[in-house]
Amino acid sequence: QLQLQESGPGLVKPSETLSLTCTVSGGFISGSNYYWGWIRQSPGKGLAWIGSIFYSGSTYYNPSLKSRVTISVDTSKNQFSLKLSSVAAADTAVYYCCRLPAWVGGMDVWGQGTTVTVSS
Amino acid sequence: EIVLTQSPATLSLSPGERATLSCRASQSVSSFLAWYQQHPGQAPRLLIYDASNRATDIPARFSGSGSGTDFTLTISGLEPEDFAVYYCQQRSNWQVTFGQGTRLEIK
Repeated sequence: QLQLQESGPGLVKPSETLSLTCTVSGGFISGSNYYWGWIRQSPGKGLAWIGSIFYSGSTYYNPSLKSRVTISVDTSKNQFSLKLSSVAAADTAVYYCCRLPAWVGGMDVWGQGTTVTVSS
Repeated sequence: EIVLTQSPATLSLSPGERATLSCRASQSVSSFLAWYQQHPGQAPRLLIYDASNRATDIPARFSGSGSGTDFTLTISGLEPEDFAVYYCQQRSNWQVTFGQGTRLEIK
């Protein structure tokens, strides 16, 4: 059974770069039928898409975050990563990684989420 | 950006009743519309994809309908575990947006 697990620092200082990794187990990230994505949820708020990546490296980003976001993939480690630069308190959220089948519009497998707080 | 508007914001019902949740898109998303359930402290769970297809292991009491700009999630015969927040989500040209959510609470 495919599982996703987020990892990374739980506390990031303002103006620094948030870095998270999603490790995929029980399957291969290089499958041609899947994209991989990052979603976040600010405290008490709804879900917000950050961006998605194909194993080949093709990326799609939320326009509101595009200038600060980089998503990359490492097929040798079966991982994909998120970097969000120049963070502020508004970037405090639970960050989820997920899988997006290319043939459907939904996200069918999610990580458990990791809380990132931006604070000095 | 395609905006998804969910209604109502909160729905108060009793176990056994039927729930009808709405999601309206600011422009057509064809059938690329999904629904998720989220309990407090948990990741969202995919319920419905492509507007009307139940995801793996989702009970038959959950059904989705609609196309274009108007979509509905129906839960027939509410179970105690169904009380949660529900989100709709669209993917158009590989840009993804979510609705703001509907909270389904016990009356």
